[in-house]
Parts: sequence; structure tokens; C-alpha cells
Amino acid sequence: DAKTTQPPSMDCAEGRAANLPCNHSTISGNEYVYWYRQIHSQGPQYIIHGLKNNETNEMASLIITEDRKSSTLILPHATLRDTAVYYCIVRVAVYSNYQLIWGAGTKLIIKP
Amino acid sequence: GAVVSQHPSWVICKSGTSVKIECRSLDFQATTMFWYRQFPKQSLMLMATSNEGSKATYEQGVEKDKFLINHASLTLSTLTVTSAHPEDSSFYICSADSNTEAFFGQGTRLTVV
Repeated sequence: DAKTTQPPSMDCAEGRAANLPCNHSTISGNEYVYWYRQIHSQGPQYIIHGLKNNETNEMASLIITEDRKSSTLILPHATLRDTAVYYCIVRVAVYSNYQLIWGAGTKLIIKP
Repeated sequence: GAVVSQHPSWVICKSGTSVKIECRSLDFQATTMFWYRQFPKQSLMLMATSNEGSKATYEQGVEKDKFLINHASLTLSTLTVTSAHPEDSSFYICSADSNTEAFFGQGTRLTVV
């Protein structure tokens, strides 16, 4: 079962910041939050991940609440090419491996 | 970032035939690879976890005799869909795990006619 819930869809104007929320209220202390995106009929693309602290890279920022029950992915200046399905994922340990538990994702549409 | 190459990117086959999909990690060694299936407008569904040199671990409801997985080297895992049927038509995606990140192939669109 998915450990994350996201709004099914969102719109954002081109050039504005896109803020994508995610709830993960059952996350455990050592489980990371990952964000991937998938453009139609392609493999998922890694965006960012974090555990407790806020993270930033060249693509996005990740804001994690202090209780770790929710997070927000921020695309600072959205472009049309950012239109995709964005997945907020919890990475869980399964025996000696890790698994990504996929939810339904948010379809983000960037409008001109 | 690291590169995972999946081949073929699309394939059409007749009912009853078998199809092999390859997943290669091009610039790192992947002890663990994962195979997913994705139906239209749905999320990725994990099919199996493939560990180099050992048998794959299948998720509940996935038939191991139908979806044969081989992970004979640290850079190659293969998924063979045996005796394919139209309901096996789907988008199949592999990923290879590094210590902190999963890298995904570009996916294989399988159509069984």
C-alpha cells in the first residue's frame, strides 16, 4: 500500500513556482522521502530526496515538516517542459534491500 | 547521473510467443535491480526484485513462471514474458539501485496482438 497521498492534479502558470504537496503521515524515522517525475511514456526521472532537513538542488527544493508527516516539492520557475506526473515516494527497507513505495502521483500541468 | 539502458523501447509480439527485455546499468554495478509494470494512467507497480546471482523475489500476484527474471551479472538483468497474452500488454520499466538513488530505464512498451 502507498505510504503517500498527493492531489491528483495541479495547474501552474509558466514562470511561477510550482508547489506540490505530499502527505506521508505513517513514515518511519529512517525512511527517506523521494520525488520522481514521469513524462508520458518515459521512465521516471529522479528529482530530489531528503530525510529530515530541507534540500535543494539544481532542479528543485524539498521542504519537509518538522514532524516529517508531510513535504512540499518546489519547482522555482516552472517551464512547459515541467509538465509531468510527479511522484512522492517513501523508500522503505525490505530485508537487505530498499523498495520505493509508489503512490498515485500528481499530474502537474504548466500553462503558458 | 548514472545511466540505465533498457531494450527494446517497444515491441509487438503475437499471442503465445515470448519476449525478452534487457536492463543494463551502463556506468555502475547494480547488485539489485527492480522490474515494474505500468498500465495506462496508473502508477508503477513493482513486479519483482532481482538480486545478482540469486533468484528474484516476486511480489504477491506476480507469476514467477510467466515473468522470468535473470540477473547473471552486476550490469544486466533480463525479464522474459513467456507465452504472452494481450492482457500482458503494458509498459515495463526497470531500475537499478545505487546506495542512495534508483535509476530508471526508459521503459519498454509491450503490445501483444
